[in-house]
Amino acid sequence: EAGVAQSPRYKIIEKRQSVAFWCNPISGHATLYWYQQILGQGPKLLIQFQNNGVVDDSQLPKDRFSAERLKGVDSTLKIQPAKLEDSAVYLCASSLFPGVLEQFFGPGTRLTVL
Amino acid sequence: RKEVEQDPGPFNVPEGATVAFNCTYSNSASQSFFWYRQDCRKEPKLLMSVYSSGNEDGRFTAQLNRASQYISLLIRDSKLSDSATYLCVVNTPTGNQFYFGTGTSLTVIP
Repeated sequence: EAGVAQSPRYKIIEKRQSVAFWCNPISGHATLYWYQQILGQGPKLLIQFQNNGVVDDSQLPKDRFSAERLKGVDSTLKIQPAKLEDSAVYLCASSLFPGVLEQFFGPGTRLTVL
Repeated sequence: RKEVEQDPGPFNVPEGATVAFNCTYSNSASQSFFWYRQDCRKEPKLLMSVYSSGNEDGRFTAQLNRASQYISLLIRDSKLSDSATYLCVVNTPTGNQFYFGTGTSLTVIP
């Protein structure tokens, strides 16, 4: 069974630039999560989708971050404009149902903002 | 107060030792609890779910104490391959969102 796919794996940009990350969840998983993991910290949920609807985006900095999952399958997360403190690993995860069952994580995108 | 709190460690233990991690959570109505393992520069992977009655998987034992609002992970007979960061995960009472602890770093020394 194919796992969660993410791209790119690494990205280096300068502050104030824009960047986008892509995620393709495990086939059949209705719930998709985007997490931000800063070095030395646990993952922090940015946004959660159930199919193509947003379940929770309370911790998403909406002035600069946006995410979509238009067809209820793959998803993109965008940062515009990036700040130095956005340097982190952005993890995408999926699960069959929200909250209860195991989440499967992708390899992440390591973002460095200079 | 954070939703989930863990001692970040690091824990450095010799091979064969027994080590235990605790994790406290703030919302008494939380329903689901997990331990994830994260290797250096890798993604988190589920180690085990934590059930009310406690559960064991080989050398690993997880327990839940609802009265004191903490979960624990016990690793017996530590192996070099157990070296990793262990993340405590708790869901919200609505069941829709996971909260991760900061992780506890374990290094098993030969």
